[in-house]
Amino acid sequence: DAKTTQPNSMESNEEEPVHLPCNHSTISGTDYIHWYRQLPSQGPEYVIHGLTSNVNNRMASLAIAEDRKSSTLILHRATLRDAAVYYCILRGGSSNTGKLIFGQGTTLQVKP
Amino acid sequence: ETGVTQSPTHLIKTRGQQVTLRCSSQSGHNTVSWYQQALGQGPQFIFQYYREEENGRGNFPPRFSGLQFPNYSSELNVNALELDDSALYLCASSTGLGGGPSSYNEQFFGPGTRLTVL
Repeated sequence: DAKTTQPNSMESNEEEPVHLPCNHSTISGTDYIHWYRQLPSQGPEYVIHGLTSNVNNRMASLAIAEDRKSSTLILHRATLRDAAVYYCILRGGSSNTGKLIFGQGTTLQVKP
Repeated sequence: ETGVTQSPTHLIKTRGQQVTLRCSSQSGHNTVSWYQQALGQGPQFIFQYYREEENGRGNFPPRFSGLQFPNYSSELNVNALELDDSALYLCASSTGLGGGPSSYNEQFFGPGTRLTVL
């Protein structure tokens, strides 16, 4: 299973943009890049996913490098509610379960 | 539309006992995955059920077993509990399977069951 590398923690001020990086240098051509986040005392929740092109949804944007070896999750205006652990996950390859392989994730602190 | 629910929310057992955790999947979802999350770690995939059959298993011993019912709800059973089994157990439901793009459909997680083994 392809692995991802994320910083352990990041800090942001409320209402400022946040860029959460993820390295996935061993990504294969069929791997999708997914982001999930886990708020305190809750199960993980889906944020966004993409394959090659940049993606936007109501929660965030996903910027994918041209060589696909890295990606960045962008929260345009962080709120206190965005404080969570953010997981960058590769899905696909030979897996037919679509199982999620979580790493340690990045713990995002948002300061008022 | 109700989301994924799990029961019980908390559970305390002693070493050697057996436990059953339950999960009701989101309406319309036919696939259930179970994850174990130790304190301070990311969730680890235990196994997945699709239309009542196990479809994929992570690196967990056979004393971790499961069932999926015709209404797509699911149970996780753990026999001969060990201290290291203390964790948050998460259930996630989704639609689609088969290795194609539908395998990558969003998984909807429940709030988890916190199991403590003494």
